Amino acid sequence: DADVTQTPRNRITKTGKRIMLECSQTKGHDRMYWYRQDPGLGLRLIYYSFDVKDINKGEISDGYSVSRQAQAKFSLSLESAIPNQTALYFCATSDWGQGAGETQYFGPGTRLLVL
Amino acid sequence: GENVEQHPSTLSVQEGDSAVIKCTYSDSASNYFPWYKQELGKGPQLIIDIRSNVGEKKDQRIAVTLNKTAKHFSLHITETQPEDSAVYFCAASSQGGSYIPTFGRGTSLIVHP
Repeated sequence: DADVTQTPRNRITKTGKRIMLECSQTKGHDRMYWYRQDPGLGLRLIYYSFDVKDINKGEISDGYSVSRQAQAKFSLSLESAIPNQTALYFCATSDWGQGAGETQYFGPGTRLLVL
Repeated sequence: GENVEQHPSTLSVQEGDSAVIKCTYSDSASNYFPWYKQELGKGPQLIIDIRSNVGEKKDQRIAVTLNKTAKHFSLHITETQPEDSAVYFCAASSQGGSYIPTFGRGTSLIVHP
């Protein structure tokens, strides 16, 4: 979805390096999320933010940190990358108050390889 | 917390056949069940969803059914086409969980021409 962009799309880094993945959205949504996708494991939540001042850990937050710079921007950092953080990372947004549930809008993903 | 199981992990069908993907969930408070389709090189995209006050929902060739008693829901694709080939994810969420979805592990659907 072009409304949610991620940079970079591909990244190769070395063990121990600090890297940042960036996400921007033009949908005007308050809620933003970072997921990790590994083959056979589905989508697992790393961190989520319901507004600029609200940041929460997901099920697999160890080794990651986030920053919500503005309503439209949510960055994921790997402080010291390790090989088992090699994965496909997705940013997503969602609205609130639309009824009994909410749709998540995903970016195109960042493929990260840690050597 | 919620646990969502999804089967099968891989599904191979011939063009024109039907495909069924099944999911079970554990939290009886879950009341929103979306299905996402992920095409190669792209992020997942919502294709259909169902809420707990409805037993079945259809949209052209796709349909979703929900059995709250048994805590399972299924995606049905009829008259499959090669462009249906993708990874499909089911998810469950609840108001008490702020509608943050718990995803199944995904099903890779391959439609052979």
